[in-house]
Amino acid sequence: ILNVEQSPQSLHVQEGDSTNFTCSFPSSNFYALHWYRWETAKSPEALFVMTLNGDEKKKGRISATLNTKEGYSYLYIKGSQPEDSATYLCASNNAGNMLTFGGGTRLMVKP
Amino acid sequence: EPEVTQTPSHQVTQMGQEVILRCVPISNHLYFYWYRQILGQKVEFLVSFYNNEISEKSEIFDDQFSVERPDGSNFTLKIRSTKLEDSAMYFCASSEEYFGPGTRLTVT
Repeated sequence: ILNVEQSPQSLHVQEGDSTNFTCSFPSSNFYALHWYRWETAKSPEALFVMTLNGDEKKKGRISATLNTKEGYSYLYIKGSQPEDSATYLCASNNAGNMLTFGGGTRLMVKP
Repeated sequence: EPEVTQTPSHQVTQMGQEVILRCVPISNHLYFYWYRQILGQKVEFLVSFYNNEISEKSEIFDDQFSVERPDGSNFTLKIRSTKLEDSAMYFCASSEEYFGPGTRLTVT
């Protein structure tokens, strides 16, 4: 059974602050790492799929990096806005179709 | 923007009853998935479905569970005899990118 961990569990920041959080995953048989943004009462929304070591992806103010050798990914949000408030989930795919999810980081951005 | 729909949004059932959770995935996708999240716990993979058959399933997906795509449109998850511990939010996904809004199953 794979173990995917995210930290911190929750985070409160002020509007305009930049922030980042971590996802750690098993590096063996790694295939892909997914990041999702999940607002309350909505469907999880895919942000990034990353496969290559050293990969960096960006979508607006949000970016993510991937280190497959040591088994971690960082998600960065630059200049947080209240609408960024959500739970950010990562999930690792280590061969096969099974995604293993972390517990999520709950971000709250205060105006 | 294509979307995945799920019905019902909330299902309450008595222990031992059968439930069917329904999903309409995105039509031209090939892989479909069911996940669940028990309150306060991580999202867990249940099963993946490809080419009208199960591609992979987790330990959770025991003989009480089954999936089918009866008409090429709906993708269903059946739980034959529900237990209290089946209470959870059940999500359908079309590829790994598009999630439905979930069905909250409450077993009493």
